[in-house]
Amino acid sequence: NAGVTQTPKFRILKIGQSMTLQCTQDMNHNYMYWYRQDPGMGLKLIYYSVGAGITDKGEVPNGYNVSRSTTEDFPLRLELAAPSQTSVYFCASSYSGGVTEAFFGQGTRLTVV
Amino acid sequence: KNEVEQSPQNLTAQEGEFITINCSYSVGISALHWLQQHPGGGIVSLFMLSSGKKKHGRLIATINIQEKHSSLHITASHPRDSAVYICAVRSGTDKLIFGTGTRLQVFP
Repeated sequence: NAGVTQTPKFRILKIGQSMTLQCTQDMNHNYMYWYRQDPGMGLKLIYYSVGAGITDKGEVPNGYNVSRSTTEDFPLRLELAAPSQTSVYFCASSYSGGVTEAFFGQGTRLTVV
Repeated sequence: KNEVEQSPQNLTAQEGEFITINCSYSVGISALHWLQQHPGGGIVSLFMLSSGKKKHGRLIATINIQEKHSSLHITASHPRDSAVYICAVRSGTDKLIFGTGTRLQVFP
């Protein structure tokens, strides 16, 4: 069972470039999340989805877009990368909200130069 | 003030010591999670609690809903326990709110 798979693991982008961080889960989870982790800070929610076709903004959505066309996949799109988007990004999933376990991907370390 | 506060921020211990990491929160929750993040970054779920106490190997997690407080204990600590331990609470139904983590180093 692969769980939550994120690609790539590392990426360096130039200012103004775009990229998509991929996230897929094979647990048939309804809920999927994208977080960013900055040094000394707790993980901050960027976007989340409670099911295919449904997405909503989290705390820090500016500069990002998501889509959820299937239950398995929840890609995160960075348009016009900025140095402030240098961070470690985590995708996570859970079967539902409430009292359910969360599963995390291995993270993507992104540097914008 | 953060909605989820952890203490201490950093902790060093000698192998074999008993370790306690604390988490306090200020919001209503449906569940509290303890997570472990090793160098290299992956996050692993250790416990999910909504009441009482859970034990897995040398790890014990407790929660006091009335006091809005949880503790993670590690008995007979080992260098391989060195990691960042993160407390997160699920408030409402959809979102997790994370603490900033406790960095633990266990020396031989």
